[in-house]
Amino acid sequence: DAGVIQSPRHEVTEMGQEVTLRCKPISGHDYLFWYRQTMMRGLELLIYFNNNVPIDDSGMPEDRFSAKMPNASFSTLKIQPSEPRDSAVYFCASSNSRTGRPSPLHFGNGTRLTVT
Amino acid sequence: AQKITQTQPGMFVQEKEAVTLDCTYDTSDPSYGLFWYKQPSSGEMIFLIYQGSYDQQNATEGRYSLNFQKARKSANLVISASQLGDSAMYFCAMREARFSGGYNKLIFGAGTRLAVHP
Repeated sequence: DAGVIQSPRHEVTEMGQEVTLRCKPISGHDYLFWYRQTMMRGLELLIYFNNNVPIDDSGMPEDRFSAKMPNASFSTLKIQPSEPRDSAVYFCASSNSRTGRPSPLHFGNGTRLTVT
Repeated sequence: AQKITQTQPGMFVQEKEAVTLDCTYDTSDPSYGLFWYKQPSSGEMIFLIYQGSYDQQNATEGRYSLNFQKARKSANLVISASQLGDSAMYFCAMREARFSGGYNKLIFGAGTRLAVHP
């Protein structure tokens, strides 16, 4: 089975530019999560969706960040405008709550974002 | 307040020895789950083991076991017979079930970097 697929793997952009990160969850999973990982703050949950509906976006740092999930197989995280402090590894993860058993999060390989 | 605390920034162990990575948590929810993930230098997050708050026995998965002490709110990961490939960051995470649907986000600790020496 294909795992969670994120693109791009690496993104280097200049301050002020728009950045779009993409995620394809595992087929059949009903939850999707966006995390950010930095040395200073560790792994932070930004937002998560259930059945394509945003449930909790309290971790989104500011209005420059937005996330969408137009269908069950695709989600985007957009930063506009980007700033150097947004440099981090962004992970997408998905899970299936319908198995009747505790379901771990399955992570993608992450997108390493560098904003210069 | 910190929900998940991993007090060991770094640990090292000799190959073939056992090692315990500490994790304490804080929750008022009677129903919760505890997870451990491994992150090797390549960066991916790998799920290792799960423990539910109502599970009667400590979880085990191959060389991984979870020393769950509910009264002390600790969920330490034990890796037996360490291998060089176990060198990685290890994260403890908690899921609380307070919210509707009994499902919520994972909150991660700061991690422990394990180095296995030959």
